[in-house]
Amino acid sequence: SAVISQKPSRDICQRGTSLTIQCQVDSQVTMMFWYRQQPGQSLTLIATANQGSEATYESGFVIDKFPISRPNLTFSTLTVSNMSPEDSSIYLCSVVDRDSLLANYGYTFGSGTRLTVV
Amino acid sequence: GQNIDQPTEMTATEGAIVQINCTYQTSGFNGLFWYQQHAGEAPTFLSYNVLDGLEEKGRFSSFLSRSKGYSYLLLKELQMKDSASYLCAVRGSQGNLIFGKGTKLSVKP
Repeated sequence: SAVISQKPSRDICQRGTSLTIQCQVDSQVTMMFWYRQQPGQSLTLIATANQGSEATYESGFVIDKFPISRPNLTFSTLTVSNMSPEDSSIYLCSVVDRDSLLANYGYTFGSGTRLTVV
Repeated sequence: GQNIDQPTEMTATEGAIVQINCTYQTSGFNGLFWYQQHAGEAPTFLSYNVLDGLEEKGRFSSFLSRSKGYSYLLLKELQMKDSASYLCAVRGSQGNLIFGKGTKLSVKP
């Protein structure tokens, strides 16, 4: 399965600022997703990152707050804009490729970015 | 709407067997996944079911009944390292995973 490098692993940010999280995959993948995991909670899908076009956002998430780029099949970024303490969470990217789907290996997750907004 | 339910917490004894249940109601269904997540770490893939029945993989087994919207994860010969959260997730029609809230399993000596 794919190997994901997610950066930064953690950060402490001032409210009102923005943070960009990067997700680099060692192989071309079919689909890339961004999730949020708030303390003690499960994973909530933010959006599907589409290569060469605008991301598809889930209900409750908007592009102005969480702009996403995916310039190619191995890389994506998520920006958390105009941060507030409520944005403190773990952000994870997830990928699936055709081989994983065929082999039922499931979706692979990055190690996550632990964000604290003060 | 999308709804995936699983117990919040469970406790079991080392060496025992534990079954974690998951019920789901989703607008699309393209398979059900179980993930394990240790505190502070990313989720790791455990199992995948798309057809009814039992899938066995070592100490872990997963069962699916699509007509009942029901799955369970069975963990045998529990070890202390199995203490973690277990996440049930359904793959929707758009290819994304929809997660339940997770079951925190504590294994005690």
